[in-house]
Amino acid sequence: GQQVMQIPQYQHVQEGEDFTTYCNSSTTLSNIQWYKQRPGGHPVFLIQLVKSGEVKKQKRLTFQFGEAKKNSSLHITATQTTDVGTYFCAGSYNFNKFYFGSGTKLNVKP
Amino acid sequence: DADVTQTPRNRITKTGKRIMLECSQTKGHDRMYWYRQDPGLGLRLIYYSFDVKDINKGEISDGYSVSRQAQAKFSLSLESAIPNQTALYFCATSLTGTALTETQYFGPGTRLLVL
Repeated sequence: GQQVMQIPQYQHVQEGEDFTTYCNSSTTLSNIQWYKQRPGGHPVFLIQLVKSGEVKKQKRLTFQFGEAKKNSSLHITATQTTDVGTYFCAGSYNFNKFYFGSGTKLNVKP
Repeated sequence: DADVTQTPRNRITKTGKRIMLECSQTKGHDRMYWYRQDPGLGLRLIYYSFDVKDINKGEISDGYSVSRQAQAKFSLSLESAIPNQTALYFCATSLTGTALTETQYFGPGTRLLVL
């Protein structure tokens, strides 16, 4: 069935190092969203990508949508302790319901 | 963020009991969703509703039912709770879907333990 795979499951980095999480679908997505969930919190929307090859930036965060619209990545440059949390991608195939990846839990050591 | 509230925030129940989780929102969003979150599995969609008269099953609807009492209220019921329904449950809302307005706003979650 339709499914969005996300790797890695966990990532431990030293503060200042970069971090990347990847999402992949076997079939073409209509759009993909990224969410951040702080420990003990709820998912909070970060961004949505719609166009093939789209790249968006939010300060130290860079989001990419693949040319075939089957994969996406979130890259954080020079991580900070405030980046700690779980990052989820959520892909849709028809702009309606979303399929969430399993999430990447980021831990940043000061 | 949309004002999305969930009650109760925590619940302990026994196997076989019927329980209801409630979700309310004050942003006037027409779409509402119920997800469950389990460690390592992300969020899985249980049911979703695009308006009061529209209810749809998600990936894992077995053992659950929902009611959309009004645009602002969407309840999730476990008719006969079982231990593997122990999870963190989130309600979410969004505006009518176009590519630009699909942001989902999540409630704070309900932590459910079924003994």
